[in-house]
Amino acid sequence: AQKITQTQPGMFVQEKEAVTLDCTYDTSDQSYGLFWYKQPSSGEMIFLIYQGSYDEQNATEGRYSLNFQKARKSANLVISASQLGDSAMYFCAMTLISSGSARQLTFGSGTQLTVLP
Amino acid sequence: EAGVAQSPRYKIIEKRQSVAFWCNPISGHATLYWYQQILGQGPKLLIQFQNNGVVDDSQLPKDRFSAERLKGVDSTLKIQPAKLEDSAVYLCASSLAANTEAFFGQGTRLTVV
Repeated sequence: AQKITQTQPGMFVQEKEAVTLDCTYDTSDQSYGLFWYKQPSSGEMIFLIYQGSYDEQNATEGRYSLNFQKARKSANLVISASQLGDSAMYFCAMTLISSGSARQLTFGSGTQLTVLP
Repeated sequence: EAGVAQSPRYKIIEKRQSVAFWCNPISGHATLYWYQQILGQGPKLLIQFQNNGVVDDSQLPKDRFSAERLKGVDSTLKIQPAKLEDSAVYLCASSLAANTEAFFGQGTRLTVV
């Protein structure tokens, strides 16, 4: 079974600075996908970025980038130029992919990010 | 494009009562998930459907929880009888295919008193 670990329960960052949210994963499978979601206080889960295990380049989506280090089994999220609206809970998640079908999207425990003005 | 629809948004019941939640995924999405999110924790998968078949229900407490997706479209999740520890937000999500992002509904906040 796969496991996602987020070791930072809470993080603070100054507005306009960059911040890195840590995520490590554990699986013996070779084919998997990694996701980051944002959950504001309103409760909805918002997809941010995806990285496939065979993708050679790190994923980027606007101010979000994923620092994927396969050998270390880490998939850290980097948010550049933080904004007050980035304050939210951030979840790292993982799905295994076998025979073309995704199996079980598993979430970490989350990191609460607070952006300070 | 309409998002994932869930109802009700909020529900308060007494322990030992039963409750049902409804989810309508994004049109064309084959995969549907039900998650339980206890306050302060990450979502925990309860059950995953691929069309109308169950892919994974290993973490579903089958003595009290049941779910169905009869026509491969909308789905219902039922709890009978409810316990105090079932108080949580129940999230429904859907995805188009393997390794594509899941889109979430706004969830149903259940309080068991």
